Amino acid sequence: EADIYQTPRYLVIGTGKKITLECSQTMGHDKMYWYQQDPGMELHLIHYSYGVNSTEKGDLSSESTVSRIRTEHFPLTLESARPSHTSQYLCASSGGGQQYFGPGTRLTVT
Amino acid sequence: ELKVEQNPLFLSMQEGKNYTIYCNYSTTSDRLYWYRQDPGKSLESLFVLLSNGAVKQEGRLMASLDTKARLSTLHITAAVHDLSATYFCAGHNTDKLIFGTGTRLQVFP
Repeated sequence: EADIYQTPRYLVIGTGKKITLECSQTMGHDKMYWYQQDPGMELHLIHYSYGVNSTEKGDLSSESTVSRIRTEHFPLTLESARPSHTSQYLCASSGGGQQYFGPGTRLTVT
Repeated sequence: ELKVEQNPLFLSMQEGKNYTIYCNYSTTSDRLYWYRQDPGKSLESLFVLLSNGAVKQEGRLMASLDTKARLSTLHITAAVHDLSATYFCAGHNTDKLIFGTGTRLQVFP
């Protein structure tokens, strides 16, 4: 069973607020990912990391930023949230040929 | 650039029937993944297919991979309501997963 955690699970915030979505894993995986998914739709990769101090932008343009200071921690930050950021954000880590997903954060920006 | 296409997008099927979901990908992918997602939930890994001709089965679901045709299939045998969910396939390229659009499956009595 995968040990990957995301907080908060649900978040409703107002436009212009700064938020950080937390993701952590206890499997020691170097590779971690953030996906954005609208309900029932496909997943879009927005950020990924191959290890500490490594961050890359994904295939979908995003106004968010990420950091990777510790192997187990890969937070995603929105400096100024907008209604267009309303979505589900899924964090994942990869190891042993398998990619494991966290439970997700459902974000609503009003 | 790897692209992944699934069909059908929506599938409504009666309990007890069989059906197949298709996943085509555009360029070389060294492995193929299948995931299940229930509404409002995260993704649950079903299968990882690593080589041409690979076949894996779990309960009423069976996945196969044909790397020459760049095609993977997810076959559902004697569907039951509990299988209602969205199913995603994903190709693997340069340490990233590229997801298909998903197939929303609804099984009715």
